[in-house]
Amino acid sequence: ETGVTQTPRHLVMGMTNKKSLKCEQHLGHNAMYWYKQSAKKPLELMFVYNFKEQTENNSVPSRFSPECPNSSHLFLHLHTLQPEDSALYLCASSQSLGGYDEQYFGPGTRLTVT
Amino acid sequence: EDQVTQSPEALRLQEGESSSLNCSYTVSGLRGLFWYRQDPGKGPEFLFTLYSAGEEKEKERLKATLTKKESFLHITAPKPEDSATYLCAYILTGGGNKLTFGTGTQLKVEL
Repeated sequence: ETGVTQTPRHLVMGMTNKKSLKCEQHLGHNAMYWYKQSAKKPLELMFVYNFKEQTENNSVPSRFSPECPNSSHLFLHLHTLQPEDSALYLCASSQSLGGYDEQYFGPGTRLTVT
Repeated sequence: EDQVTQSPEALRLQEGESSSLNCSYTVSGLRGLFWYRQDPGKGPEFLFTLYSAGEEKEKERLKATLTKKESFLHITAPKPEDSATYLCAYILTGGGNKLTFGTGTQLKVEL
């Protein structure tokens, strides 16, 4: 579990707040991902970064804004969220995008939007 | 349309009672099939990757197999600590490293 860390682990925010989720990987990987996990639904891929460059935005609303300053850190900036955005947000990393490698996940941030 | 279906949705076993979880897929160009374990309130933990039909991998009480249409996760003589949600996911050839997940099988192993 210490390979990929996420902070905070729990977050409660109002619809008018601005907050950020942080992910850090200590595995020397080059690709990083954000996923959303809602109850009774499959994990949904949100964003993909490879060597700090965004390669995938899976039709995510603009109220979610990712940032990847380097290959070890990934942020998800949140603003004017809706109650339906309440979910577990998971960060993952893998060695690369081209190698079809397994992804390693962090523990997630449980987000509640009130 | 590419999709992956896991069954059953939930499974309750007695300790020592072996069983199998199913992951069936209808995709074109499967590059890899992945199995993960997820405990409540935690992120998924990687278990296995299978790349071609006929391939098998084992880890302790778990064995994963792959055919052209489905994958099985066999659990032999399970223990209560095997209780978790088991997720399968696939990657398509040429699809980068984009995992598409099933909804999972929630396994409960009782004493």
